[in-house]
Amino acid sequence: EIVMTQSPDILSVSPGERATLSCRASQSVSINLAWYQQKPGQAPRLLVYTASTRASGIPARFSGSGSGTEFTLTISSLQSEDFAVYYCQQYTNWPLTFGGGTKVEIK
Amino acid sequence: EVQLVQSGAEVKKPGATVKISCKVSGYIFTDYYIHWVQQAPGKGLEWMGLVDPEDGETTYAAKFQGRVTITADTSTDTAYMELSSLRSEDTALYYCAITTVGAGRLDPWGRGTLVSVSS
Repeated sequence: EIVMTQSPDILSVSPGERATLSCRASQSVSINLAWYQQKPGQAPRLLVYTASTRASGIPARFSGSGSGTEFTLTISSLQSEDFAVYYCQQYTNWPLTFGGGTKVEIK
Repeated sequence: EVQLVQSGAEVKKPGATVKISCKVSGYIFTDYYIHWVQQAPGKGLEWMGLVDPEDGETTYAAKFQGRVTITADTSTDTAYMELSSLRSEDTALYYCAITTVGAGRLDPWGRGTLVSVSS
C-alpha cells in the first residue's frame, strides 16, 4: 500500500497570504495525484487532479505541482472560504490512499 | 448535472449489518465506477472499495475485505454498500463518489451517510 504523508498537520495563515501544503508518497505515483478540499459538514470537493490540473470551477488561486513522490498545493492568496481541511490522494495503485489532511486555519 | 443522493442515517447495534444506498443521476450509470469512502468522526478519509456497474466487478481494500459488499443495481441506477459484523469503530460517515476509470480522481461525491454503532 502506498502511504501518503501530508505536512504540516495545521497551517495558520492570514487572509490574503499564500499557503503551501505538502504531500509525500512512500513510492512514486507519477502524476496520479489529486487534492480535495473539505469544509465542516460537507463532502470533500475535488480541487486538482493529475497533480496540476484544476478541476472544473476551481479558482486560479489554487495550483498543484510535483511528480513522483513530492507534491505541493499552493493557494496564492487565501480567501475566507478557503479555510478548510485539504487531502491528497494517489490513484496509481490499489488501494486508493489518502493523506491524513492539512487543516488551514485563520491566523 | 451529475448527482449522487445517499440514504439517511442509520443506528445499528454491534454485530449487525448495515446497507446504505447511493442513487445517481445526470449520467449513464454504467459509464462510471462507484466508490465508497469512510470517514470516522474527526478523522481522515479511507477508501473502502468500488464497483463497476457495467459488470458488477468489485475491488475492496484489504482492511474491509470480508466485511464489505458493494453492489450496483442498473434497473434503479443505485449503488449499495453493505458492511457486516459492525463494531463501534465503524461509526463514521460513508461517502459514495465516482470515477471515470477504476483508479482515478473521485468527483463528484455524495453528501455522506452517518452510520452509528452503539449498544
